[in-house]
Amino acid sequence: GQNIDQPTEMTATEGAIVQINCTYQTSGFNGLFWYQQHAGEAPTFLSYNVLDGLEEKGRFSSFLSRSKGYSYLLLKELQMKDSASYLCAVRDRDYKLSFGAGTTVTVRA
Amino acid sequence: ETGVTQTPRHLVMGMTNKKSLKCEQHLGHNAMYWYKQSAKKPLELMFVYNFKEQTENNSVPSRFSPECPNSSHLFLHLHTLQPEDSALYLCASSQDWASGGAETQYFGPGTRLLVL
Repeated sequence: GQNIDQPTEMTATEGAIVQINCTYQTSGFNGLFWYQQHAGEAPTFLSYNVLDGLEEKGRFSSFLSRSKGYSYLLLKELQMKDSASYLCAVRDRDYKLSFGAGTTVTVRA
Repeated sequence: ETGVTQTPRHLVMGMTNKKSLKCEQHLGHNAMYWYKQSAKKPLELMFVYNFKEQTENNSVPSRFSPECPNSSHLFLHLHTLQPEDSALYLCASSQDWASGGAETQYFGPGTRLLVL
């Protein structure tokens, strides 16, 4: 089966930077996604990586290393509204998305 | 607003009840999905429909029965559920099932189900 690992919880201070790591072992690779999910709400798309390297989108950046089966999501200039669960998901050769259990980020004032 | 709506948002049912969850997408997509999200566990893919045809049944027990009457609507019929089926059930849609690139899935807000 697929295996997606990410930390369960992280805490950081407003204005700081947090890096959420994700490692994966899947049947083939067709892209890696990061989603944000606030409590009681739908997951929403944050970023997509299919080639190695860094993708930057405002305060959020996502990095991928396919050879290492590794990605991270970098959140900069943290705001209180960034408190949420962040889901790492990998699309395999059959185009199925497998998700990690999510990392709950708590931003403190 | 993600363009994917789900009703009801909350549901409490007994093990002998029959209920249905409804999902509707207003994005013109052709693929729709049911996921189960339990506390502290990864999202589990349950069913996939592409152009109204079921393309994936991820070893889901028969007490869950999906129905896709058209590309915009997806139902999940529930009967004789178990307490361990209590979870958040998320619906999602995407342009196509096997589309690559940055094509992402758009999720509804989910139905929080409690089985007593």
